[in-house]
Amino acid sequence: EPEVTQTPSHQVTQMGQEVILRCVPISNHLYFYWYRQILGQKVEFLVSFYNNEISEKSEIFDDQFSVERPDGSNFTLKIRSTKLEDSAMYFCASSEDELAGWGTQYFGPGTRLTVL
Amino acid sequence: RKEVEQDPGPFNVPEGATVAFNCTYSNSASQSFFWYRQDCRKEPKLLMSVYSSGNEDGRFTAQLNRASQYISLLIRDSKLSDSATYLCVVNVYGQNFVFGPGTRLSVLP
Repeated sequence: EPEVTQTPSHQVTQMGQEVILRCVPISNHLYFYWYRQILGQKVEFLVSFYNNEISEKSEIFDDQFSVERPDGSNFTLKIRSTKLEDSAMYFCASSEDELAGWGTQYFGPGTRLTVL
Repeated sequence: RKEVEQDPGPFNVPEGATVAFNCTYSNSASQSFFWYRQDCRKEPKLLMSVYSSGNEDGRFTAQLNRASQYISLLIRDSKLSDSATYLCVVNVYGQNFVFGPGTRLSVLP
């Protein structure tokens, strides 16, 4: 069964450093997403991406964040200057439907980011 | 008012019990609804989509009441493996998923 993959599984970084989290969505999917989940809290939407551009972003997704689809398979989330409060599990998801409002999203296993 | 609210939990039930989870959402324009389950420190996994007519998948039954903006999930004959956090997820067409805070279920032997 096709699945979303993410690397690394755990990233430890110093405050102020840049990190890039990588995702490989399911191959025939058209919509891609990043979510985060701070330990003990709910899953929060960060950004959605379609047709090589951001289609929606939340207020969490400020200028420190960026996303890119550098090739036909990878989808990355970059945090330019990490803060302590960026420590969380980051989930990538993808959806196949053009009508994203109806599509089921499939989640990757997540990257646990720890900012020291 | 929070966008998606769920029973605070946790629910601790014996094996074989029937357990019901409730969820309410605030955006009346919401159009698609899902139940996901999340095991500790793992990703959310789709349990089932929720349709207006209600739907059933084995021991799991989901109901949607658009007028009341209410979604439910019923688990019959609960198993130890059902222990997880159950997430109510709501979507407005063309927008992102909104997750509820989840309700944790522990099924006890």
